[in-house]
Amino acid sequence: NAGVTQTPKFQVLKTGQSMTLQCAQDMNHEYMSWYRQDPGMGLRLIHYSVGAGITDQGEVPNGYNVSRSTTEDFPLRLLSAAPSQTSVYFCASSYQEGGQPEAFFGQGTRLTVV
Amino acid sequence: RKEVEQDPGPFNVPEGATVAFNCTYSNSASQSFFWYRQDCRKEPKLLMSVYSSGNEDGRFTAQLNRASQYISLLIRDSKLSDSATYLCVVNSMDTGRRALTFGSGTRLQVQP
Repeated sequence: NAGVTQTPKFQVLKTGQSMTLQCAQDMNHEYMSWYRQDPGMGLRLIHYSVGAGITDQGEVPNGYNVSRSTTEDFPLRLLSAAPSQTSVYFCASSYQEGGQPEAFFGQGTRLTVV
Repeated sequence: RKEVEQDPGPFNVPEGATVAFNCTYSNSASQSFFWYRQDCRKEPKLLMSVYSSGNEDGRFTAQLNRASQYISLLIRDSKLSDSATYLCVVNSMDTGRRALTFGSGTRLQVQP
């Protein structure tokens, strides 16, 4: 039972480079989201998706793109990396419906932009 | 003002102690409430949901006060393995989207 799988676990980028963080879930969850976690800031929502073909912006979307072509996958693209994007990134999924949704998180990607 | 506020700690307590964490939220339209646990350099995991009537899971008790927009977590008989960061999480729907808003966490260190 894989749950939510994120790759890579660690990444170092140079300023201006682009890359894609991968996220896949095998629980048939409709809702998927990306968060970044910085010291003292808690987790902040970057983008989310309520189903295949539907995405929307969260609290801190600038500099990131997402797409949702399948229920299982929700990649996050950094268009032109900046040092301010150094952070730990978590992907999460949950059921869309339900009164008490539990979010399942991937193991995180530690990204450093130099 | 942050939407979900927590005392960052750290709370340093001896084994066997009882410790309580508090959390306040600003969005009165918030509908669901949770405590997540996050171990160092790991992903957050659901500890327990918080219900209006209060709920208990073993040594853990969660309370919600909607009038004061206040959530609490009580841990009895603390174990070394309880050392972690505890995240207060609120789910709101009033902006038309379901999204979890996280507090920045309260760090607990249980000492032998």
